[in-house]
Amino acid sequence: GAGVSQTPSNKVTEKGKYVELRCDPISGHTALYWYRQSLGQGPEFLIYFQGTGAADDSGLPNDRFFAVRPEGSVSTLKIQRTERGDSAVYLCASSPTGHVTDTQYFGPGTRLTVL
Amino acid sequence: AQSVAQPEDQVNVAEGNPLTVKCTYSVSGNPYLFWYVQYPNRGLQFLLKYITGDNLVKGSYGFEAEFNKSQTSFHLKKPSALVSDSALYFCAVSPSVTGGFKTIFGAGTRLFVKA
Repeated sequence: GAGVSQTPSNKVTEKGKYVELRCDPISGHTALYWYRQSLGQGPEFLIYFQGTGAADDSGLPNDRFFAVRPEGSVSTLKIQRTERGDSAVYLCASSPTGHVTDTQYFGPGTRLTVL
Repeated sequence: AQSVAQPEDQVNVAEGNPLTVKCTYSVSGNPYLFWYVQYPNRGLQFLLKYITGDNLVKGSYGFEAEFNKSQTSFHLKKPSALVSDSALYFCAVSPSVTGGFKTIFGAGTRLFVKA
């Protein structure tokens, strides 16, 4: 079946602009996660959704970052007033139930470059 | 605070030789431990996980990992390396059920298998 998909695969923007990154999870997966991966680092947790609600947003770095999942499927990560330090690969993952023992299934990522 | 350490940035091994990629963790409560692999231009793929039970866990592509509670380690192993195993490997820990939903990843270890 189809895996996790993310669009766009690459996004180049200018400092101060607004960007949206989209994630399509595996059908039927109730849990969805966003991570940020900087060069040479492991994925860094941003936010976790269980259904439509953000069950844990403790990893969002500041209030410029926001994510939604209005129908419990597709999710959008929104970044306002982008800064050069936001440049990274943004990864999305989904899992069947969201239990901490679940395997997470990752998308290919969106590479964000802020000029 | 929970953390994961992968002490080696890079591991080099000859094809056919055994390989070990090291991981140590620090977490309160019972840890749930994962290994993921990342191939170039692809998302992270699940290899194996330890939840409970037998300390030796077998996973995909002939990989296995041994959970050692006294040493707080979860090293990834394979008896005979293949050139196609060359990739970036990440160890991850999920908190116990009372610890929220934040999965913590190590910084990654790049494995080079030489023909």
